[in-house]
Amino acid sequence: KAGVTQTPRYLIKTRGQQVTLSCSPISGHRSVSWYQQTPGQGLQFLFEYFSETQRNKGNFPGRFSGRQFSNSRSEMNVSTLELGDSALYLCASSPWTSGRETQYFGPGTRLLVL
Amino acid sequence: AQTVTQSQPEMSVQEAETVTLSCTYDTSESDYYLFWYKQPPSRQMILVIRQEAYKQQNATENRFSVNFQKAAKSFSLKISDSQLGDAAMYFCAYRTGNNAGNMLTFGGGTRLMVKP
Repeated sequence: KAGVTQTPRYLIKTRGQQVTLSCSPISGHRSVSWYQQTPGQGLQFLFEYFSETQRNKGNFPGRFSGRQFSNSRSEMNVSTLELGDSALYLCASSPWTSGRETQYFGPGTRLLVL
Repeated sequence: AQTVTQSQPEMSVQEAETVTLSCTYDTSESDYYLFWYKQPPSRQMILVIRQEAYKQQNATENRFSVNFQKAAKSFSLKISDSQLGDAAMYFCAYRTGNNAGNMLTFGGGTRLMVKP
C-alpha cells in the first residue's frame, strides 16, 4: 500500500496570506490527524477528522481549520498567516475500525512564512 | 490533561552498544497507549514500538524494547546493538484508550547520536 502523502512538500508564503495543505491517507484509513511541529513548541495536535467530521481539536486559533472529503482525503487551511505559523505540518492516518490501530505519518509539509 | 516528559534532550551511544531513552507521563486514565516514534533528518515520523497499557508484558520489536512501569508512569525505550541508522530524534507519545480518537500527546524529544 502507498503511504500517507502530503502536498505540497515545501511552501513559502508571506504574512497575511492564506495557505491550504493536503493529505491523502493510506487506502482504507478513515481517520486523519494533523500536527504542527516547531522548534519552540514541539509537536502539537491540531485536529482530527473521521468520516468527514472533526472529532478532536487542539488548542489553536480559529485561523486554523480543516476538512475531510468522502474519500478520506483531508485539507487544512491557515488564514492570515503569521510568522509563527512557520512549521512542519504533519498528517497521520489510521483505519479506526477497532479504535486500537496505530497512526502512520506522512512526510510533512514545511511552511515558511516571510 | 495528559503530559509526556522526556528528560534527556540529547543522548549518545557507541555503535553496537545499548542505550536507554527515558519517558514519563502523567494521566488519570487506566486505558491508554504509549508509542515511541523515530524522526530521522528526513523528518518522516516512523513508528518504532507501541505499548497498550492493559498489557503487562513489555513490547519488543527486534532490537527495540520498552520497559513499561505503569505504576511509576514510566515508559523507557532500549535500543540494543545500536546502528548508525538509529541516529534520529525519538519522541515518546501518549494516546487515550477511551475510544475518543487519535490525538497524540508528544514529549519534547530526545536526539540520539550514534558514534562509529
